[in-house]
Amino acid sequence: EAGVAQSPRYKIIEKRQSVAFWCNPISGHATLYWYQQILGQGPKLLIQFQNNGVVDDSQLPKDRFSAERLKGVDSTLKIQPAKLEDSAVYLCASSFLNTEAFFGQGTRLTVV
Amino acid sequence: QQQVKQSPQSLIVQKGGIPIINCAYENTAFDYFPWYQQFPGKGPALLIAIRPDVSEKKEGRFTISFNKSAKQFSLHIMDSQPGDSATYFCAASESTDKLIFGTGTRLQVFP
Repeated sequence: EAGVAQSPRYKIIEKRQSVAFWCNPISGHATLYWYQQILGQGPKLLIQFQNNGVVDDSQLPKDRFSAERLKGVDSTLKIQPAKLEDSAVYLCASSFLNTEAFFGQGTRLTVV
Repeated sequence: QQQVKQSPQSLIVQKGGIPIINCAYENTAFDYFPWYQQFPGKGPALLIAIRPDVSEKKEGRFTISFNKSAKQFSLHIMDSQPGDSATYFCAASESTDKLIFGTGTRLQVFP
């Protein structure tokens, strides 16, 4: 079974630029999550999708972050404009019917 | 009330030792308590999880102890090996989604 795929693995951008991350969940997993993991901290949930609908985006900084999950499969997370404090690993995870969440390897973002 | 407090921040043990990592929570609505293992450059991977209706769960060399009245749970790694060197995160949630993670414990097991 293929795991959660994320790209790119690494991204370096200047502050105020925009960036997008892509996630392909495990086939058949209706629930998709985006987490932000700042160095030395645990992952923090940004947004949760159930199929193509948003279940929870209460911790998503909506003034600069956006996410979508077209057709209930792949998802993209966008930051525009980026700030220095957005430097982190962005993890995508998926699960099947409220069972274990499987994480991808993440995208390491550095904002300079 | 949504926090999960984890300690220690780092842990060094000899091979064969039994590292213990502790977590505490406040929200009594939490009913799912997983532990994740994360190696450098990788995403977290589920190690073991427990529900509050049991006080202990074992899977191989990994054991979760759960104290509902104290709102605490801990991970014990029996006969630790150098390959167990990783960062361990506890988490909690009201179902299996919307996990709230602890701050992580970096474990180093020396031969």
